[in-house]
Amino acid sequence: EPEVTQTPSHQVTQMGQEVILRCVPISNHLYFYWYRQILGQKVEFLVSFYNNEISEKSEIFDDQFSVERPDGSNFTLKIRSTKLEDSAMYFCASRPQGNIQYFGAGTRLSVL
Amino acid sequence: GNSVTQMEGPVTLSEEAFLTINCTYTATGYPSLFWYVQYPGEGLQLLLKATKADDKGSNKGFEATYRKETTSFHLEKGSVQVSDSAVYFCALSASSGGSYIPTFGRGTSLIVHP
Repeated sequence: EPEVTQTPSHQVTQMGQEVILRCVPISNHLYFYWYRQILGQKVEFLVSFYNNEISEKSEIFDDQFSVERPDGSNFTLKIRSTKLEDSAMYFCASRPQGNIQYFGAGTRLSVL
Repeated sequence: GNSVTQMEGPVTLSEEAFLTINCTYTATGYPSLFWYVQYPGEGLQLLLKATKADDKGSNKGFEATYRKETTSFHLEKGSVQVSDSAVYFCALSASSGGSYIPTFGRGTSLIVHP
């Protein structure tokens, strides 16, 4: 069964460093998403992407964040200068038409 | 705005016990309701859904009924197994200009002992 793939499963970085989290959505899906979950808290929406542009973003998604679909298969989330509070699990999701999203296993980001 | 409230965990049960995880919501409009499950080391998987009042979603022995009058979508299973140990997330999704961004609850951890 097709699935959303995220790499790496765990990323450790120093505060102030740039990180890129990678996702390969399901191949015929049209809409792509990033979410994060700080330990013990809710899953929070960050950004949605459709037709090669951001369609919606939350207040969390500030200038430190960017997304890109560089080659038609990958969908990346970049954090330009990480802060301690960026430590969280980051989930990628994709969907075809309709309202069901398919999620990856997540990347745990630890900022030291 | 939209919000989802679900019972805090962990919920600890013995195998074959009855499970209920409560979920209530507030939403504008007429949302679809979902339960997602996250097994250890895996992503969020859709467990079941319901799109209108009185709909019952079911999968793998789990059930939840969309109750508009009580704004609830409680998850139930008659006899849990050790393999059901996971984190369960209640969520709602209301179309807003074609956007289907779900609002999640905090998640409830279920631990089932043999």
